[in-house]
Amino acid sequence: NAGVTQTPKFQVLKTGQSMTLQCAQDMNHEYMSWYRQDPGMGLRLIHYSVGAGITDQGEVPNGYNVSRSTTEDFPLRLLSAAPSQTSVYFCASSYWGDKTYEQYFGPGTRLTVT
Amino acid sequence: DQQVKQNSPSLSVQEGRISILNCDYTNSMFDYFLWYKKYPAEGPTFLISISSIKDKNEDGRFTVFLNKSAKHLSLHIVPSQPGDSAVYFCAARGVTSGSRLTFGEGTQLTVNP
Repeated sequence: NAGVTQTPKFQVLKTGQSMTLQCAQDMNHEYMSWYRQDPGMGLRLIHYSVGAGITDQGEVPNGYNVSRSTTEDFPLRLLSAAPSQTSVYFCASSYWGDKTYEQYFGPGTRLTVT
Repeated sequence: DQQVKQNSPSLSVQEGRISILNCDYTNSMFDYFLWYKKYPAEGPTFLISISSIKDKNEDGRFTVFLNKSAKHLSLHIVPSQPGDSAVYFCAARGVTSGSRLTFGEGTQLTVNP
């Protein structure tokens, strides 16, 4: 099992550009989520999904879009990048309804917006 | 509002001694708590968890204590090892939140040889 994979590992964007961060998992997890990590702020939830075709907003959804067409993939789209979106982005997955609530994280994408 | 708070951004400990990492929460609807460990340039990995019906859970060198009346939990690492140097995140799940977790800010633990 590859677990949770994320591409790219690093990305530099200019303000106003758009891009998609890819996330895939091979554990047949229903629940997938995107977080951003900023210094002193911990991990903040951007969007999440409890299954194919179902997505919802987290704590900090503005400027981001998601879709979930398959169980395996959960891409995060930046519509018009802003310097405030410079961050490290983590994708995570888990079984929905699993009583341990343990989430498995990908290695992260470090994004810089200039 | 920050519902899960880790008030110490950093902690330095000597190898072999005990490391105690603290976490406070404000939401009384949290019913499950987890600790994650994160090395640089890697994603967080699950370390240990505790249900709100318990007050202690132990796994090898790691023990998590939960004090529900104080809305406080702590992670004890005994004995600490240099390989434990990492950022530790506390996370909590709300009763109505499904699988969603709320994370604290993290504490950088440094274990000195």
